[in-house]
Amino acid sequence: QSALTQPPSASGSLGQSVAISCTGTSSDVGGYNYVSWYQQHPGKAPKFLLYEVSKRPSGVPDRFSGSKSGNTASLTVSGLQVEDEAYYYCSSFAGINKLVFGGGTKLTVL
Amino acid sequence: EVQLVESGGGLVQPGGSLRLSCTASVDSGVSFTTFEMNWVRQAPGKGLEWVSYISTRGDRTHYADSVKGRFTTSRDDATNSLFLQMDSLRVEDTAIYYCAKERRYYELENWGQGTLVTVSS
Repeated sequence: QSALTQPPSASGSLGQSVAISCTGTSSDVGGYNYVSWYQQHPGKAPKFLLYEVSKRPSGVPDRFSGSKSGNTASLTVSGLQVEDEAYYYCSSFAGINKLVFGGGTKLTVL
Repeated sequence: EVQLVESGGGLVQPGGSLRLSCTASVDSGVSFTTFEMNWVRQAPGKGLEWVSYISTRGDRTHYADSVKGRFTTSRDDATNSLFLQMDSLRVEDTAIYYCAKERRYYELENWGQGTLVTVSS
């Protein structure tokens, strides 16, 4: 069982928006603004998508955005494109020198 | 630009050992010595699991409870290399092992392609 809870699946139509939640506790998501998101296509390595809850690394489209409220962080993908179909993982700094991940969400573009 | 390449994976029997390597290629002006590094693994069909962290200079290491006492991470800055020594391997250690460069606070901004470790008799 993963430390952070994500829905196993999410879906949205081409061009629409979808949000994926990531729920932790006050010891991780709620306690720090070091939540990251990763995109992983099948057979590929994870790709760094967002950091510090809502910041995008260079090269990541602004269709990807993040937010946090209490112990829950969210990733929103706007203007869904075919290439957005992938697995998405959240992670959080959890203090005591520890990193925790969510179980992953499979995003399907309809 | 940072490129990470893992190697050393393979098939090993339960109770055995394996040593993984991760070599970094960096642009001029960028130094591996400034990188905080991590290992993350992914069991077949499963999610990501953080394994270990090593500081710059290698003077601090941290491990997930699931591998503490069995795995050791180290680095050799002279060869831009990161290592994971895995002892007392168990079937549940079977996974793709990725090395990853940390931006800060375990935000993993660069990943290698991974190396598969299979623990089976």
